[in-house]
Amino acid sequence: ETGVTQSPTHLIKTRGQQVTLRCSSQSGHNTVSWYQQALGQGPQFIFQYYREEENGRGNFPPRFSGLQFPNYSSELNVNALELDDSALYLCASSRNRDRDEQFFGPGTRLTVL
Amino acid sequence: AQKVTQAQTEISVVEKEDVTLDCVYETRDTTYYLFWYKQPPSGELVFLIRRNSFDEQNEISGRYSWNFQKSTSSFNFTITASQVVDSAVYFCALSEARYSTLTFGKGTMLLVSP
Repeated sequence: ETGVTQSPTHLIKTRGQQVTLRCSSQSGHNTVSWYQQALGQGPQFIFQYYREEENGRGNFPPRFSGLQFPNYSSELNVNALELDDSALYLCASSRNRDRDEQFFGPGTRLTVL
Repeated sequence: AQKVTQAQTEISVVEKEDVTLDCVYETRDTTYYLFWYKQPPSGELVFLIRRNSFDEQNEISGRYSWNFQKSTSSFNFTITASQVVDSAVYFCALSEARYSTLTFGKGTMLLVSP
């Protein structure tokens, strides 16, 4: 186990709703990255937070937003859910934003109906 | 822009066979990192190896070995004497030197039957 935890494990929402996913990073890690993994695809980078600031963003619309807290845990918020948002959402933490290995959590499986 | 291509969508082998998973990458950076991750049915990505662009030595870890060739932009992964527990989806990934964000390939599903 990596020490990275995510909640909830599974979630079912309907189109148009909003969702918040949570991630606790490994002890001593100050960087959290979020990835979206659609069925049968590789994970795609959503954004990264370093010391509570957004430190890079992938090709995702603004309705995907995030937060990082002083204890370096993080939230991913998605507004106005669409069917295509159904995916496994993975959180990864690293000791620092530069060059460090990322440790992944078990993911949150989001289903949008 | 970075890109990782895993051309093999699915591979099926019988236990004890050797199997090689291919990975080809594209990047404009001269310094970068390459990774392999394993994703069992539970979903969690398990780190297998990280290799930086200046280290072209092949690496062996037990039944696993990796062949990094900059000339062909490839970072292939071989499992020797495969076992049923090796069944999983394997991802190759790339990151720039400066940032730790990863660009993943689409993955190769490996099925090892008894």
